[in-house]
Amino acid sequence: EIVLTQSPGTLSLSPGERATLSCRASQSISSSYLAWYQQKPGQAPRLLIYGASSRATGIPDRFSGSGSGTDFTLTISRLEPEDCAVYYCQHYGSSRMYTFGQGTKLEIK
Amino acid sequence: EVQLVESGGGLVQPGGSLRLSCSASGFTFSSCALHWVRQAPGKGLDYVSAISTNGGTTYYADSVNGRFTISRDNSKSTLYLQMSSLRVEDTAVYYCVKASDTSYRLLDYWGQGTLVTVSS
Repeated sequence: EIVLTQSPGTLSLSPGERATLSCRASQSISSSYLAWYQQKPGQAPRLLIYGASSRATGIPDRFSGSGSGTDFTLTISRLEPEDCAVYYCQHYGSSRMYTFGQGTKLEIK
Repeated sequence: EVQLVESGGGLVQPGGSLRLSCSASGFTFSSCALHWVRQAPGKGLDYVSAISTNGGTTYYADSVNGRFTISRDNSKSTLYLQMSSLRVEDTAVYYCVKASDTSYRLLDYWGQGTLVTVSS
């Protein structure tokens, strides 16, 4: 079973700064099947990134994904107050595995 | 616009049963795989179940296998989750999720969720 570990647990940054969120897999996974979701307080999750680096429909270009093998990164440039949320990575590479990371909470000061 | 509206949540005693429904619109329902994902209060996302476009293939997380049954009615654009032998640890918000057109495993639109509380 693949385990996804996200770090840091909580990130506190100011508007305009850059956020770098990490997702590490317990074994190498195909970058084609790594997604990132954003969940704002009281809301359902929303797909941000799929295939490790492709933005979903309507997602601003401030959000970017990268990585391969076991190490993946979500970068949010020019933070805005509305980016306050929990961010989850997910591996969807197998019909029998839909693993989520435990989440990174992003706070905007 | 894609819309997924869950219903059927509520309070149930341990060992009881509940059926969740998800009414869908804004896309070709019969062409999309569908999923259920849950989230316990204050916790992360926990995958529950999936169903193929025609309902012929299903998948369950080990934690619910044998207790939950996923199904769909393409004529009504509705997804279901029949839950039985419910446990306290099944308490969560249950999300109905649509798969993308290009990958049946990619979760591209989520409903707002329905809360299931298992308690005596």
